[in-house]
Amino acid sequence: DTEVTQTPKHLVMGMTNKKSLKCEQHMGHRAMYWYKQKAKKPPELMFVYSYEKLSINESVPSRFSPECPNSSLLNLHLHALQPEDSALYLCASSQVDLGMSSYNEQFFGPGTRLTVL
Amino acid sequence: GENVEQHPSTLSVQEGDSAVIKCTYSDSASNYFPWYKQELGKRPQLIIDIRSNVGEKKDQRIAVTLNKTAKHFSLHITETQPEDSAVYFCAASKGWAGKLIFGQGTTLQVKP
Repeated sequence: DTEVTQTPKHLVMGMTNKKSLKCEQHMGHRAMYWYKQKAKKPPELMFVYSYEKLSINESVPSRFSPECPNSSLLNLHLHALQPEDSALYLCASSQVDLGMSSYNEQFFGPGTRLTVL
Repeated sequence: GENVEQHPSTLSVQEGDSAVIKCTYSDSASNYFPWYKQELGKRPQLIIDIRSNVGEKKDQRIAVTLNKTAKHFSLHITETQPEDSAVYFCAASKGWAGKLIFGQGTTLQVKP
């Protein structure tokens, strides 16, 4: 399996709702990422997990809570979001090679289109 | 901080012409430079990448060149087709499981 999958494809939620986004990969990658993307803008990194541990948090508001239950799964829990959080949320994964010649080749999932009302 | 500048922001070419998109990076330790193509409503798709120990790489109609001294890298698309129309992002990275620093994107339109 050479794909990153994400569910749901679309999500509409109110500002008081709690919802979760799910990402899955079976490529044996040990690094997984959450990005937020607005229209015609580059993806903005939110979180990085390597070996199931949070290694980078780009000062993301606490209403976004990531979780990595195992090496294949990555969740993003959403609570009390604002309308400006509406965006495409992308998950990505990459190999982790601790050798000197390691490269950050990331594979993206199809994304979840989130609308906050 | 780390920065990648990408030019032009929009590019319109006639079908069959070539298109060139240029990026400049700031961190001399960057060692990996991917290019992503993103069609409307779809995921960024890796189309080609280059590593710091290589100066040029080609894959059919697509090529990427890297000038480490000048900290420039470029995407070249020859014989453009309407299906090449998309937003293209360059990025730079160093090491593993770290940040991809993206350029601001180039909207390429190929007119039939």
